Amino acid sequence: QSALTQPASVSGSPGQSITISCTGTSSDVGNYNLVSWYQQHPGKAPKLMLYEGSKRPSGVSNRFSGSKSGNTASLTISGLQAEDEADYYCCSYAGRTTSVFGTGTKVTVL
Amino acid sequence: QVQLVESGGGVVQPGRSLRLSCVGSGFTFSSYAMQWVRQAPGKGLEWLAIITNDGNNKYYADSVRGRFTISRDNSKSTMYLQMNSLRVEDMAVYYCARDRIQLWMSGMDVWGQGTTVTVSS
Repeated sequence: QSALTQPASVSGSPGQSITISCTGTSSDVGNYNLVSWYQQHPGKAPKLMLYEGSKRPSGVSNRFSGSKSGNTASLTISGLQAEDEADYYCCSYAGRTTSVFGTGTKVTVL
Repeated sequence: QVQLVESGGGVVQPGRSLRLSCVGSGFTFSSYAMQWVRQAPGKGLEWLAIITNDGNNKYYADSVRGRFTISRDNSKSTMYLQMNSLRVEDMAVYYCARDRIQLWMSGMDVWGQGTTVTVSS
C-alpha cells in the first residue's frame, strides 16, 4: 500500500489552467476506475471534488475535471481562482478492499 | 443537514488505548458504509479502515491491522475506532467519512471535522 505519487506543488495565475497528476500502479489506479480527488483548505476537513475519475458531486464547479491514462490519473482546474488555493489529494481503490491516498499537492494561485 | 461529528481524541501515552467515536446525523446512517482516515501533523491523508453498512465486514490498512478495530452501532448512528498499542507515529487528526452509497469505495462524500490524537509520554 504505497502512497500514490503527486507533485508536491503546482502553481498558476488566476484564469489559467493547471493539472495535477496522480501516479500509481497497475494494482490501483491502472486497474480500477475508482479514483477520487479531494480538496483540503488549511485546518479544514477534505472535500470530495471528483469521484470515479471524472464525475463531479453536486455543487462542485465544472472547472474541475478528471481523466486517466494507464497508471496515472489527473485533475485539471480551469479558470483558476484564488479560492482554489488548497491541498489536493487523489485516492484510489487498491484491491483487497483497501484504498490508498496520494502524497498530496499544494496548489498556489500566483 | 448531513453531518459527521468525531470525538474521543486526546493525549495518550505510547502503548495505551483510545476509542474514537463518529456520530452521523441528517441521513440514514445504517444505509452507508463508513471509513476512517487520518492525517499526521504536516503530512498527507492516510486511509485506515472501512466498515460495511450493516457492520458485518471490516477492512483495514496494513499499518493498523491488528491494532485498530472499526465498529458501528446503527441504533446510535455511531461508528467507532478502537485504537490499541498506540505509537508515536499514530499521532494525527482522525477523520470519519461516509462512503458514497452508489458504488463501494468510489469516494468519501461527507467528512467530519476531525479529532486530534496525541501520543506522548
